Amino acid sequence: AQSVTQLGSHVSVSEGALVLLRCNYSSSVPPYLFWYVQYPNQGLQLLLKYTTGATLVKGINGFEAEFKKSETSFHLTKPSAHMSDAAEYFCAVSDRGGSGGGADGLTFGKGTHLIIQP
Amino acid sequence: DGGITQSPKYLFRKEGQNVTLSCEQNLNHDAMYWYRQDPGQGLRLIYYSQIVNDFQKGDIAEGYSVSREKKESFPLTVTSAQKNPTAFYLCASRRSGTANTGELFFGEGSRLTVL
Repeated sequence: AQSVTQLGSHVSVSEGALVLLRCNYSSSVPPYLFWYVQYPNQGLQLLLKYTTGATLVKGINGFEAEFKKSETSFHLTKPSAHMSDAAEYFCAVSDRGGSGGGADGLTFGKGTHLIIQP
Repeated sequence: DGGITQSPKYLFRKEGQNVTLSCEQNLNHDAMYWYRQDPGQGLRLIYYSQIVNDFQKGDIAEGYSVSREKKESFPLTVTSAQKNPTAFYLCASRRSGTANTGELFFGEGSRLTVL
């Protein structure tokens, strides 16, 4: 069974500071990895994903994440936080073989609420 | 533009009433999912369907029912048997076959409040 751990239910950073949201996963096979963002009372929007190839993945809104197999991690970063980045962020994993998270669905972490201090 | 449409956006229900949440997609995706979201608990899978006329229970199916009569539609009924139905409900879909990279596409959600 797969699992996803997001360290910190709430992360607070100052505007202009580095954003680092941590995600560790467990999977018996090389996974597909995802970061989603959710604004209040809205659905989830894909920020970025890792499937194959380059382990440093760039996404929308200046975010990027690096897949580190040896650390089973997929941490999300952004060099300079903006007030508009305040939202809930979810890390998710999918079994490449399609047997994870409800028959080819995703297994989600519990989310990290990002707070931006002015 | 293709996407997933959920309705209603907000819904209020009296105890003992069944309610149905609509989910329609025009992405031509085979697989569809319903998740429940509660503060601090992430997303929990209620039901999923990989093809028309077939669906499977997820982790928290008790008190819910679904149907999949058309590829485009996957409505969720919250029955009176669901003891704590107040939550945010998210519908999602996924590509199939070789185009599938595991990514889910989400609707905007429906917020159900029991009065």
